[in-house]
Order: sequence, then C-alpha cells, then structure tokens
Amino acid sequence: GQQVMQIPQYQHVQEGEDFTTYCNSSTTLSNIQWYKQRPGGHPVFLIQLVKSGEVKKQKRLTFQFGEAKKNSSLHITATQTTDVGTYFCAGRIQGAQKLVFGQGTRLTINP
Amino acid sequence: EAEVAQSPRYKITEKSQAVAFWCDPISGHATLYWYRQILGQGPELLVQFQDESVVDDSQLPKDRFSAERLKGVDSTLKIQPAELGDSAMYLCASSLWEAEAFFGQGTRLTVV
Repeated sequence: GQQVMQIPQYQHVQEGEDFTTYCNSSTTLSNIQWYKQRPGGHPVFLIQLVKSGEVKKQKRLTFQFGEAKKNSSLHITATQTTDVGTYFCAGRIQGAQKLVFGQGTRLTINP
Repeated sequence: EAEVAQSPRYKITEKSQAVAFWCDPISGHATLYWYRQILGQGPELLVQFQDESVVDDSQLPKDRFSAERLKGVDSTLKIQPAELGDSAMYLCASSLWEAEAFFGQGTRLTVV
C-alpha cells in the first residue's frame, strides 16, 4: 500500500502568494527527492535531501527533511505562473531502497 | 544529453490482448524503474531492478504483468491479458544507486 502520503492534493493561489506541500512516510527514509510534473509531461527531478533536519534552497524554493527522516516539505515563496504543475515527493525506503512517490500536490495559480 | 528512451509513445489495444512496452535507460544506470501513473495520481512503482535483479515488485499484478531486464540494460514490461483498468501512462525511469531518477516520455496505454 501507499507508504508516502502527501497533502494537500490541490492548492490554488494568487500569483505572489506562498505555497507549501507536505510529505509524510510511514517508514524511515534513506533520502527524499522532489519532482515537478507539468501537464502532459513526465516528472522532472528538483532536489534530493539525505541528512536528518537538512534544509536546501533553490531560489524561491525551500526544501526540508524532518529530524526523524520520515517527513519533508516544499515551500515556494511568492509564486509565479511558471510554478504551475504537480509537485511530488518520492521517498527512498530505508532497507528496501525502492523509490515510492506521494500522490502529489497540484498547484494552480491565478495571475 | 542522455535520455531514457521508451516505445511506443501511444498504444491502443483491445481488452484480453497482449501488450508490451520497451525501455532503454541512460547508459551506466544500474537501477531501472517501471511506474504506472493514472491521471491525477502519483506514479505507482510496479517493479524496480538493480542490474538484472528485481529489487521490488510487490505492487506488480503478477497474474497478468511481467517485467524483465535480461542483460541488465534495456527492459520490457508486458501485460497479458490487458484489462480496461490498465489504461494509464506507463513510465520508465533510471538512476545511479540512490540518486535521482530520470524519466522517459512514457507510454500512454488505452485499453478498449
């Protein structure tokens, strides 16, 4: 069954507002990865977090990995129309090493 | 730039027929994944290979689905017989060990 849960499923914001999506695993992860998928496209890798409590930034995007290595978040500051898409977290299950995706958060933006 | 190649891009098949998808990973990537993605949902891992060995196939419906990666390079995913509920995007991806996955364009399967 689904081991990586992601919320919310949908988020609609006004351009310039912030956006956050949350990811939670039932098991400890070796690492967590984030992907973005545009409509009609395939998932494209954004970043990987490996260490407990790790925080990484990419311009307006901030990624966090929880202390227990079971949860993660992606925060976008001041969204732009180019941020539209579905954001997925993907957890590398410790031991099994399989890569399991969350259900994704679909972000839409009102310009 | 290296890419994951998948074929065909689109496939329409009648239910109860057999269908096969092919994937050629990025050269040097020992890990290969097959995912199924239903519209509006996240990719569901069907099978993960490390070289020619199966790492995980716990979500693969083994009564009708099979996957192989005989020489540890390219891979084939087969469905026999196809059912209406198999209509989805089938994505192949590859990676180095524990690194980011690179996805192909996918095969859009429609079962009628």
